[in-house]
Amino acid sequence: DVKVTQSSRYLVKRTGEKVFLECVQDMDHENMFWYRQDPGLGLRLIYFSYDVKMKEKGDIPEGYSVSREKKERFSLILESASTNQTSMYLCASSFHLGTRTYEQYFGPGTRLTVT
Amino acid sequence: QQPVQSPQAVILREGEDAVINCSSSKALYSVHWYRQKHGEAPIFLMILLKGGEQKGHDKISASFNEKKQQSSLYLTASQLSYSGTYFCGTEIAGGYNKLIFGAGTRLAVHP
Repeated sequence: DVKVTQSSRYLVKRTGEKVFLECVQDMDHENMFWYRQDPGLGLRLIYFSYDVKMKEKGDIPEGYSVSREKKERFSLILESASTNQTSMYLCASSFHLGTRTYEQYFGPGTRLTVT
Repeated sequence: QQPVQSPQAVILREGEDAVINCSSSKALYSVHWYRQKHGEAPIFLMILLKGGEQKGHDKISASFNEKKQQSSLYLTASQLSYSGTYFCGTEIAGGYNKLIFGAGTRLAVHP
């Protein structure tokens, strides 16, 4: 079974703190994704990575950065957390081979509260 | 541009059918469908590819109208376990499996 794990299920941080969210997958997937999920808005893509050290902005990258130093690990960084970044954060991974499309496997999510 | 899902919510009794629609303004390469139960990760249901190929669930069917950039998910003879929020994710060609998800459709199945 593919497993995508996230470092914390719940996290509470203060405004201005630097926050690291970690995601690890065990299936040697090339692609990894970070989404945030808010009621009524669905899943919105923050950043994705298709290879080690490669990253692409998603639809809402402002206020976030990412790091992918190893194939299995993809980190989301909030440089200076703000209250409007309170949300559920979901990590996902998928294969990438040519132009074929593959399903994404999601982690359990991290509910981040910024106070 | 986020795809538009309809309806936003639907309530069913066990055994009833439902259709969830997903509409995009962009030319699509594929449409993915996922279901998320409360407090859990979204799980994959189905992929529909341009050209008609499908991969996915044997109890749930879907269609993809490439000309209209629309997909529909058909839930027949619903079971209690079908309850959850359904998301469509749309992919354009050359997108590295990057998906743009709709806002979701909440489905509740009651006995």
